[in-house]
Amino acid sequence: SQTIHQWPATLVQPVGSPLSLECTVEGTSNPNLYWYRQAAGRGLQLLFYSVGIGQISSEVPQNLSASRPQDRQFILSSKKLLLSDSGFYLCAWGTGSNTEAFFGQGTRLTVV
Amino acid sequence: GQNIDQPTEMTATEGAIVQINCTYQTSGFNGLFWYQQHAGEAPTFLSYNVLDGLEEKGRFSSFLSRSKGYSYLLLKELQMKDSASYLCAVRVTEGQNFVFGPGTRLSVLP
Repeated sequence: SQTIHQWPATLVQPVGSPLSLECTVEGTSNPNLYWYRQAAGRGLQLLFYSVGIGQISSEVPQNLSASRPQDRQFILSSKKLLLSDSGFYLCAWGTGSNTEAFFGQGTRLTVV
Repeated sequence: GQNIDQPTEMTATEGAIVQINCTYQTSGFNGLFWYQQHAGEAPTFLSYNVLDGLEEKGRFSSFLSRSKGYSYLLLKELQMKDSASYLCAVRVTEGQNFVFGPGTRLSVLP
């Protein structure tokens, strides 16, 4: 069966510090991978998606970046965090067919 | 552009039936999905419609009308544990991405 792991679950970082969130998927090959951000009480905003190794598409201009160094690994990074980067970050995977997306447990990031 | 609308909040009584509506205008359509999200947790998949009509899964049903850009989620025999946010999402053509609505926060009262 397929599983998705995302870590850490919670993170408190000072303004200006770097960020690295990691997501890995097991039990499937060549998944579509997604990073979403959810502000408090709001919907999910798509940040990045990837349809293959090294292929990253950005949906929203920001000081975040994403990388996919391996087929089932998706990393969200920042060189210098801003207060506005606080939120609930969710990694998800899906297939190319008409099936649902599956979410990791999420990372609650607080920038102080 | 992509636009998905849902009511912000709804309240219902335990044992009752509630209908959560969703309207969408998207570039491309590859299915409409409903997710449940409890506070502080990740969304979990509830139902999926790609063709017009009603899909039933136990206490949950979802309806789709592609010509109207409209869907609803119907929850029957409400339980306290159904208090959560319900997210409507459309899978669009570009990148096979999922575009989410703002979510409807449902409160089930005793």
